[in-house]
Amino acid sequence: AQKITQTQPGMFVQEKEAVTLDCTYDTSDPSYGLFWYKQPSSGEMIFLIYQGSYDQQNATEGRYSLNFQKARKSANLVISASQLGDSAMYFCAMREGLTSSGNTGKLIFGQGTTLQVKP
Amino acid sequence: SQTIHQWPATLVQPVGSPLSLECTVEGTSNPNLYWYRQAAGRGLQLLFYSVGIGQISSEVPQNLSASRPQDRQFILSSKKLLLSDSGFYLCAWRTGGGSTNEKLFFGSGTQLSVL
Repeated sequence: AQKITQTQPGMFVQEKEAVTLDCTYDTSDPSYGLFWYKQPSSGEMIFLIYQGSYDQQNATEGRYSLNFQKARKSANLVISASQLGDSAMYFCAMREGLTSSGNTGKLIFGQGTTLQVKP
Repeated sequence: SQTIHQWPATLVQPVGSPLSLECTVEGTSNPNLYWYRQAAGRGLQLLFYSVGIGQISSEVPQNLSASRPQDRQFILSSKKLLLSDSGFYLCAWRTGGGSTNEKLFFGSGTQLSVL
């Protein structure tokens, strides 16, 4: 069963506007972590933000924030004040807790969303 | 500081030829190591991971194998490449035994084209 779902293959946003990239997940583990990575055309994977399942507040990192709705099992990434350099592919990923994956630390990724910022 | 090296950056190989991709991590010990593959415009698929020397776990049955001959060295291999092995291969690491919130650090990737 697919654990991470990103339903938007591609998104456009106007420069300086905000954009939300969707991510839903599925797990029966009460302890898990959710990650967002950015992949520019160069191929490198850049970590953006992390949200833990027990975190009380939504994570924020500069212009990135995570809209975490636990009951809906969604962890949408919000990018405020979009910049041309934000054009890239964005991946949502999940790590299940120690109770299910032990010490492996592996991340399961979604299919990604390609974001294009228009000038 | 920790760094991860992955090579080569690009590789073009004929069908049926062998493959060896290497990944090394510096500045840490006993890391967890991972090989991912990414088809063009798609997500990352976990191929193998290792929590220690000689310990390899395979996530999907395939034409590839992995080995960890040294603590900070992770090798992806194939005896005979298939067309379907083409893709972008990424090596990653994180602190061994780390907590749920520890991110993965990725190498720069290898673009493999099998012709």
